[in-house]
Amino acid sequence: EAGVAQSPRYKIIEKRQSVAFWCNPISGHATLYWYQQILGQGPKLLIQFQNNGVVDDSQLPKDRFSAERLKGVDSTLKIQPAKLEDSAVYLCASSRQGQGYTFGSGTRLTVV
Amino acid sequence: GESVGLHLPTLSVQEGDNSIINCAYSNSASDYFIWYKQESGKGPQFIIDIRSNMDKRQGQRVTVLLNKTVKHLSLQIAATQPGDSAVYFCAEKSYNTDKLIFGTGTRLQVFP
Repeated sequence: EAGVAQSPRYKIIEKRQSVAFWCNPISGHATLYWYQQILGQGPKLLIQFQNNGVVDDSQLPKDRFSAERLKGVDSTLKIQPAKLEDSAVYLCASSRQGQGYTFGSGTRLTVV
Repeated sequence: GESVGLHLPTLSVQEGDNSIINCAYSNSASDYFIWYKQESGKGPQFIIDIRSNMDKRQGQRVTVLLNKTVKHLSLQIAATQPGDSAVYFCAEKSYNTDKLIFGTGTRLQVFP
């Protein structure tokens, strides 16, 4: 089966600019996750979707981050405005209920 | 390529030796554990998992041991190869959520 697709692979923006990341999960995977991985750390969950509904967004900085999964398939994660500390790899993962996750290769964001 | 973690604990082993990577988890309610391998520029890749009703599970060249008494997880890699060089993360999940919590990771370096 095809893996989790993410784009772009890399993005460099200036602070206070906005940026959006896209994720296409594995076909049939109802659950989709966005993780933030700061250099030297493990991935940290930002938001979890079940189909097109949000299950957990307790760790999402909602003043600047937003995410949607309108049709229950693709998802976008947006940051507006970006801060220097948002520099990280943003990983998307998907899973079937109760089963292991499959991760995409991530988008590496650098905020300068 | 980019480095996953510059300041992670590092385990250096010689090719052909066995490797043991350790992880302490914090949530006694966690009942599902996964080991992931992350190479530079890639997302985490599933290696092996174990449920809390087991204390040992074996895969191809890998074994996971779970000690629930001291909340400790380990990954053993037999006959370590250069291709095993990566950052390894343990992750835990409790029975009532699909949210994976990642540990800080260990960098494995294999030298000839």
